[in-house]
Amino acid sequence: GAVVSQHPSWVICKSGTSVKIECRSLDFQATTMFWYRQFPKQSLMLMATSNEGSKATYEQGVEKDKFLINHASLTLSTLTVTSAHPEDSSFYICSAPRTLNTEAFFGQGTRLTVV
Amino acid sequence: KQEVTQIPAALSVPEGENLVLNCSFTDSAIYNLQWFRQDPGKGLTSLLLIQSSQREQTSGRLNASLDKSSGRSTLYIAASQPGDSATYLCASGDSSYKLIFGSGTRLLVRP
Repeated sequence: GAVVSQHPSWVICKSGTSVKIECRSLDFQATTMFWYRQFPKQSLMLMATSNEGSKATYEQGVEKDKFLINHASLTLSTLTVTSAHPEDSSFYICSAPRTLNTEAFFGQGTRLTVV
Repeated sequence: KQEVTQIPAALSVPEGENLVLNCSFTDSAIYNLQWFRQDPGKGLTSLLLIQSSQREQTSGRLNASLDKSSGRSTLYIAASQPGDSATYLCASGDSSYKLIFGSGTRLLVRP
């Protein structure tokens, strides 16, 4: 069964609104989670590292004020896309590793469409 | 900065063929190399993980090899089936758990 759960699986929102995506580790504690973005027919690109109890670390070119990440507990990280625009439409997916050198577990992904 | 490349970008084969997917990476200082499967519009399924100290891993009809010195990994799929049709992604893992993905190989296995 899934060990990382992501919700919602898809969302359509109006331009200018905010959308929150949740990522939960189901049977283990994850002090670190990762958020990736995938545009159509492209690969996954790391957006940010979510750290429990501290600020997220963003990759170069990712706007931290636009993509708000909160990792308030050892099993939950949230990504909020603020003031969404059509160019933010993408597939967002989270990942949580159990330990180094073990497989990475991914959520089911969230298809965001901004109209 | 690590860069991961996959070739071919797309592959179409008849059912039953054995096939090889290629992955190359520029920085050999990796902690592990993972292969994933992604079905259209879906998340990722982990297929195989090769630690930096290992040379290969096997799971059923899948075999993945790793040559750190040459910066290459291959995924071998034996006796391909239509259900194997998907996009296959390789990703290098570093000491901070981050994964750098290749652009993927879209595989179509024709009945």
